[in-house]
Amino acid sequence: GEDVEQSLFLSVREGDSSVINCTYTDSSSTYLYWYKQEPGAGLQLLTYIFSNMDMKQDQRLTVLLNKKDKHLSLRIADTQTGDSAIYFCAERTGTYKYIFGTGTRLKVLA
Amino acid sequence: EAQVTQNPRYLITVTGKKLTVTCSQNMNHEYMSWYRQDPGLGLRQIYYSMNVEVTDKGDVPEGYKVSRKEKRNFPLILESPSPNQTSLYFCASSLLGGGAVYEQYFGPGTRLTVT
Repeated sequence: GEDVEQSLFLSVREGDSSVINCTYTDSSSTYLYWYKQEPGAGLQLLTYIFSNMDMKQDQRLTVLLNKKDKHLSLRIADTQTGDSAIYFCAERTGTYKYIFGTGTRLKVLA
Repeated sequence: EAQVTQNPRYLITVTGKKLTVTCSQNMNHEYMSWYRQDPGLGLRQIYYSMNVEVTDKGDVPEGYKVSRKEKRNFPLILESPSPNQTSLYFCASSLLGGGAVYEQYFGPGTRLTVT
């Protein structure tokens, strides 16, 4: 069935780069997203990539998409303590269903 | 201010007592959706709606009902809540069509405990 997998935890030092990985299964997905959830809050869209793109850069964020392997990654350059949060990847299927990953909790050490 | 509101934010109830969690958005969005968030399982979609009177099942619809009688409101109904429905619930909305990225705007969440 449809599934989106992420590693549960990632810890990095302030100033380093963070890379959060995600694998998905639905090859019909048209958009893939990265959402951020800060403690006690709802999710907010960080960035997205259309399925016909390989890469998208948005300031400190770089999204890489490998459609063949169904692998999506989010790189955060110069990670700051304010980046500590849970990051979810998500795919939008052709039928407007959304499938979210399990979330990766990023902890940034000062 | 553009927002998605949910009520109540916290609810403790007993098994079998019907409850409704309300969701309202003021952005004239066509698409609305309900999710539940559980540790280790991420967000799972319960139901979604692409417009008034149009609803469809997500991945975990069992034990839930929804209705979309007005564009701005999308209530989630638990007819007979059970302890396995204890969770954090999020409502979200987005535009549909017109080349939109379909960014979902999320409400603040409703923490439900069923004893």
